[in-house]
Amino acid sequence: QVHLVESGGGVVQPGRSLRLSCAASGFSFSNYAMHWVRQAPGKGLEWVAVISHDGSNKDYADSVKGRFTISRDNSKNTLYLQMNSLRTEDMAVYYCALGSVVVTVIPFDYWGQGTLVTVSS
Amino acid sequence: DVVMTQSPLSLPVTLGQPASISCRSSQSLVYSDGNTYLNWFQQRPGQSPRRLIYQVSNRDSGVPDRFSGSGSGTDFTLKISRVEAEDVGVYYCMPATHWPPTFGGGTKVEIK
Repeated sequence: QVHLVESGGGVVQPGRSLRLSCAASGFSFSNYAMHWVRQAPGKGLEWVAVISHDGSNKDYADSVKGRFTISRDNSKNTLYLQMNSLRTEDMAVYYCALGSVVVTVIPFDYWGQGTLVTVSS
Repeated sequence: DVVMTQSPLSLPVTLGQPASISCRSSQSLVYSDGNTYLNWFQQRPGQSPRRLIYQVSNRDSGVPDRFSGSGSGTDFTLKISRVEAEDVGVYYCMPATHWPPTFGGGTKVEIK
């Protein structure tokens, strides 16, 4: 059974940094691309970033490019999102979601429970 | 980038009655292999999104058969044959093979 558990959310001041984690289990983590998707309060879903199965390919939404870094540790079955220079508009629930063996195919058949990031002074 | 437009934004439905949600894309979603990969997601209040439908019309495991997906090219529909209380939430469409990943704006289903 696929299980994705995010952690690391919290309250942070504008301009500061935060690192999110997503612990994966129940599938061969190292074989799949992984994504981060976020949802601002009362808003819809916004894709944030993707990383290929081996970490060699990454892509980001324009809204976070240059500030966020996605990474993974296949030995620990864990996905990360390093968020720097946080802005109030980054405040959202952040979900990790399962990708595919092909980076550009987006099944999103499994999601974590999400972790809330609050950006406020 | 593909733009996904859902309608209506809000859908009040009487219990036991049908519901229909439209999703239109700004470009054809037919993939290079000739298939169309369009997902539908349900997000109940306070919960994570859950995929209901993949490849336009295939229900995910555990999804009740009152949910059905249809469409082709740029026009797609999610139908609920008889709405139940547990169907309350927001529904999103998303193409699975267009980059960058883009969700529709969502349709909120509520009980009248």
